[in-house]
Amino acid sequence: SQQGEEDPQALSIQEGENATMNCSYKTSINNLQWYRQNSGRGLVHLILIRSNEREKHSGRLRVTLDTSKKSSSLLITASRAADTASYFCAGVTGGGNKLTFGTGTQLKVEL
Amino acid sequence: DTAVSQTPKYLVTQMGNDKSIKCEQNLGHDTMYWYKQDSKKFLKIMFSYNNKELIINETVPNRFSPKSPDKAHLNLHINSLELGDSAVYFCASSQDNRVGGYTFGSGTRLTVV
Repeated sequence: SQQGEEDPQALSIQEGENATMNCSYKTSINNLQWYRQNSGRGLVHLILIRSNEREKHSGRLRVTLDTSKKSSSLLITASRAADTASYFCAGVTGGGNKLTFGTGTQLKVEL
Repeated sequence: DTAVSQTPKYLVTQMGNDKSIKCEQNLGHDTMYWYKQDSKKFLKIMFSYNNKELIINETVPNRFSPKSPDKAHLNLHINSLELGDSAVYFCASSQDNRVGGYTFGSGTRLTVV
């Protein structure tokens, strides 16, 4: 079964705007990761946030984690057309051996 | 050099056939995985091997059999292919899930006709 649900399922914004994607998960996690998947390609790891962290930054990416609500968000600032992709959250569970993915958000950044 | 490479990239085959997908990683990672992504983009783990030992075996039909000859290789053999097996299969590897992410291959698009 999927670890989490992502919201929204699809998001369309203009270049330069910020994009926020939310992820809710079901079971306790060791850490939560975000991945990007360009059309027809494999997944690329973006950022990892541990269960004892609340916020993390990497370039234009900002991730938050609220373990009490079992939710995370990914913010992409100053979006570019090249950010157009599907974004997945994934939680590490099962003693650290298993990465379970959410349902994904399709982001489209228009010029 | 490609970190996780899988072959073939595309595979079209008839129902009932047997096929294999190969995966190799040159990252020195201890753990390798097979994931299946369906037409709705849902990603589901199938198998995981750590140093050639099977550690995750999700509810996958017995027609799917993984084989890891060494820790750099994880192959997936599928017997008696069915229409519902059509999907994109991703190989991935990782060193330590607690601190790092997975590295994925570019996928094998399997179409069963």
